[in-house]
Amino acid sequence: GQSLEQPSEVTAVEGAIVQINCTYQTSGFYGLSWYQQHDGGAPTFLSYNALDGLEETGRFSSFLSRSDSYGYLLLQELQMKDSASYFCAVRDVGSTLGRLYFGRGTQLTVWP
Amino acid sequence: DTEVTQTPKHLVMGMTNKKSLKCEQHMGHRAMYWYKQKAKKPPELMFVYSYEKLSINESVPSRFSPECPNSSLLNLHLHALQPEDSALYLCASSQESRTVVYGYTFGSGTRLTVV
Repeated sequence: GQSLEQPSEVTAVEGAIVQINCTYQTSGFYGLSWYQQHDGGAPTFLSYNALDGLEETGRFSSFLSRSDSYGYLLLQELQMKDSASYFCAVRDVGSTLGRLYFGRGTQLTVWP
Repeated sequence: DTEVTQTPKHLVMGMTNKKSLKCEQHMGHRAMYWYKQKAKKPPELMFVYSYEKLSINESVPSRFSPECPNSSLLNLHLHALQPEDSALYLCASSQESRTVVYGYTFGSGTRLTVV
């Protein structure tokens, strides 16, 4: 089975940096993904790490350590619009297709 | 076209009604998914279609019936639902590869209320 743990909520002020951690236990591993979801909206794909290290995309970076079964999403220069839920996700490799398993989500609130 | 389009956006139905949710993508993705999401919870996988064939059914009750008429379309037929089935129903699609995982593209969802 799959198990992902992430904090339920994080708060920060505009302009700050915030890190959302995710630890996982999986029977197989095809990489760690991150999704953002605003209230009432659809999840949108942010990043994917298959190998150890840091991936940077603009203000967002994602890190993976496979030996520690750990990753994080780093959000810099926070803006009010970054207030949303952030989900880490892993894919089950038990079948050709697999399933995408989501963590319970971290609610990020950015204050002015 | 880099979108997944879902209709309707909102649906209210009685427990004896039959309705269908529709999903369409034109990105050439060969895998399509139905997820159910309750408030403040993560999306939960319901069904996976690969190359228009149902490959995963996550023990979903038979009152939910998926259909994939072609590689661009995915339907979810609803019949005799219960109030606890009220949720956001998300469709997603993805490229398909055994060795590389790409991001899923989600539709904006159908917010379903069963009365």
